Amino acid sequence: QQQVKQSPQSLIVQKGGISIINCAYENTAFDYFPWYQQFPGKGPALLIAIRPDVSEKKEGRFTISFNKSAKQFSLHIMDSQPGDSATYFCAASIISGFQKLVFGTGTRLLVSP
Amino acid sequence: DAGVTQSPTHLIKTRGQQVTLRCSPKSGHDTVSWYQQALGQGPQFIFQYYEEEERQRGNFPDRFSGHQFPNYSSELNVNALLLGDSALYLCASSTTGSNQPQHFGDGTRLSIL
Repeated sequence: QQQVKQSPQSLIVQKGGISIINCAYENTAFDYFPWYQQFPGKGPALLIAIRPDVSEKKEGRFTISFNKSAKQFSLHIMDSQPGDSATYFCAASIISGFQKLVFGTGTRLLVSP
Repeated sequence: DAGVTQSPTHLIKTRGQQVTLRCSPKSGHDTVSWYQQALGQGPQFIFQYYEEEERQRGNFPDRFSGHQFPNYSSELNVNALLLGDSALYLCASSTTGSNQPQHFGDGTRLSIL
């Protein structure tokens, strides 16, 4: 019940295209869903996060879509750029539970020029 | 404003040895969490420290222990090292309270021979 399942494992997108990464969770107590971006040799960096009281959140080229009934959420990267090539992790936590983050297994994104 | 800093960057140990990793949180943060990231996997929560006490613990054996100092910095200790302990160890800091994001350091790469 603590798992967060992430797909696809890897993704290749043309420059300017849309990258879509999906995650699913089981624990309905989760109430905070962040996405992290990680470059080789670096720690994860927070990209964008959403609470379950909204169905979509947009920040620049990054959008989270959230489907509470399906227990799924996804990251959309619009106008993907080569600089977006990195590993992306979805995560989930219970805010009242001191924000112990449960991470997905990651998606390696390659944006080809 | 310095972010989360971790030391050392890399470390090589042999089986059975003990290791201590260090973390300085981002300025203004009072909570430190530790995660283990195996190669090609998402980070796994080890434990969290607040007010110099372990507040929450993940599914890790007692060989993993930690400490938080009055200046909020933290140490992760691992005893009786196993080959399977080889991983990137990440420290994340945050401020206590709802909806406060965790900021990660770049980690310590631990290799066990």
